[in-house]
Amino acid sequence: DAKTTQPNSMESNEEEPVHLPCNHSTISGTDYIHWYRQLPSQGPEYVIHGLTSNVNNRMASLAIAEDRKSSTLILHRATLRDAAVYYCILRDGSQGNLIFGKGTKLSVKP
Amino acid sequence: KAGVTQTPRYLIKTRGQQVTLSCSPISGHRSVSWYQQTPGQGLQFLFEYFSETQRNKGNFPGRFSGRQFSNSRSEMNVSTLELGDSALYLCASSLQLRDRSTDTQYFGPGTRLTVL
Repeated sequence: DAKTTQPNSMESNEEEPVHLPCNHSTISGTDYIHWYRQLPSQGPEYVIHGLTSNVNNRMASLAIAEDRKSSTLILHRATLRDAAVYYCILRDGSQGNLIFGKGTKLSVKP
Repeated sequence: KAGVTQTPRYLIKTRGQQVTLSCSPISGHRSVSWYQQTPGQGLQFLFEYFSETQRNKGNFPGRFSGRQFSNSRSEMNVSTLELGDSALYLCASSLQLRDRSTDTQYFGPGTRLTVL
């Protein structure tokens, strides 16, 4: 299974942008990059996914490096509610389950 | 649309007992997956069901089992409980798109199982 590497923790100030990095140097050409987050005392929730091009949705943006060996999840204006563990996950078409690493714990300071 | 629901939310059992957890997926979702989350091991995949058939299984002992009903609702069972089975058990449902690499999983709030 292709693996991802994320920092254990990051801190941000409220209303400032946050860039959460993920390295996936062994990514294959058909792997999609997914991000999920888990708020305290809740199940994980889907954030965004992409293959090659940068992606935007109402929650976040995903910037994917040209060689696809790394990606960055961008929260444009962090709020206290964005404090969570963020997981970067690679998915190919052969598996239905998600393989979670340890993720990045994001703290947001008021 | 209602989200994924799990019952019960909290459960306390003693070693040696068995437990059954229930999951109701989002309406229209045919795939249900189960995960175990512990502080030490993080989130680990247990099994996945689609159309009442187990499609995939994680690396857990046979004490962990599951099933899916014709209405896509799913249950998981843990027999002969051990202290190490204390965990948050999460259920996720998905549409099961043909291209599974883009399939989004929607998680329930989990069942917190404590084994004494």
